[in-house]
Amino acid sequence: DTEVTQTPKHLVMGMTNKKSLKCEQHMGHRAMYWYKQKAKKPPELMFVYSYEKLSINESVPSRFSPECPNSSLLNLHLHALQPEDSALYLCASSLGGRGYEQYFGPGTRLTVT
Amino acid sequence: AQSVTQLDSQVPVFEEAPVELRCNYSSSVSVYLFWYVQYPNQGLQLLLKYLSGSTLVKGINGFEAEFNKSQTSFHLRKPSVHISDTAEYFCAVSDIGNQFYFGTGTSLTVIP
Repeated sequence: DTEVTQTPKHLVMGMTNKKSLKCEQHMGHRAMYWYKQKAKKPPELMFVYSYEKLSINESVPSRFSPECPNSSLLNLHLHALQPEDSALYLCASSLGGRGYEQYFGPGTRLTVT
Repeated sequence: AQSVTQLDSQVPVFEEAPVELRCNYSSSVSVYLFWYVQYPNQGLQLLLKYLSGSTLVKGINGFEAEFNKSQTSFHLRKPSVHISDTAEYFCAVSDIGNQFYFGTGTSLTVIP
């Protein structure tokens, strides 16, 4: 199984809502990533978890809160978002370390109204 | 940090014609190189990767890429494109650790 799954596929939320994005992989990967992607742009790294510990936080606003409950799951909790946060949120996983490719999920299309 | 340049933001090409998508990177140290494809409303899919060894790398869907250390390039090629190849293509570099550095992307449009 070389699949990374993400739920929900689409999400519309108001600026006062709290919601969560979920990512799951069963490939035994120990590194998991959250990216934000705007239309026609490359993915922008937000967070990296390595062995279930947050290893990289690319100065992301605190209204985005990541969580890694176990080695297969990665969540992104959203609160008080702004319209400019509307984007495709991609989850990825890899074996970790140099040279290992990242496997991407299909993404969650988030619209903040 | 690494810098990855994809000089062509858009490449239109006729069906069954060859195509080359260009990628240059900044590092003078050893790097690992990747090409990903993204179809509309989907995630990124790995096309191919270069770690070491032969400089010509073959990937999925008939794509190949050539690593050129002296020119710090990793150009992607396909001898004959299909309509289904219409997508966004991203070159990426990995040096130390788990972080990838992506180029700005090339939008390939195959014209019937």
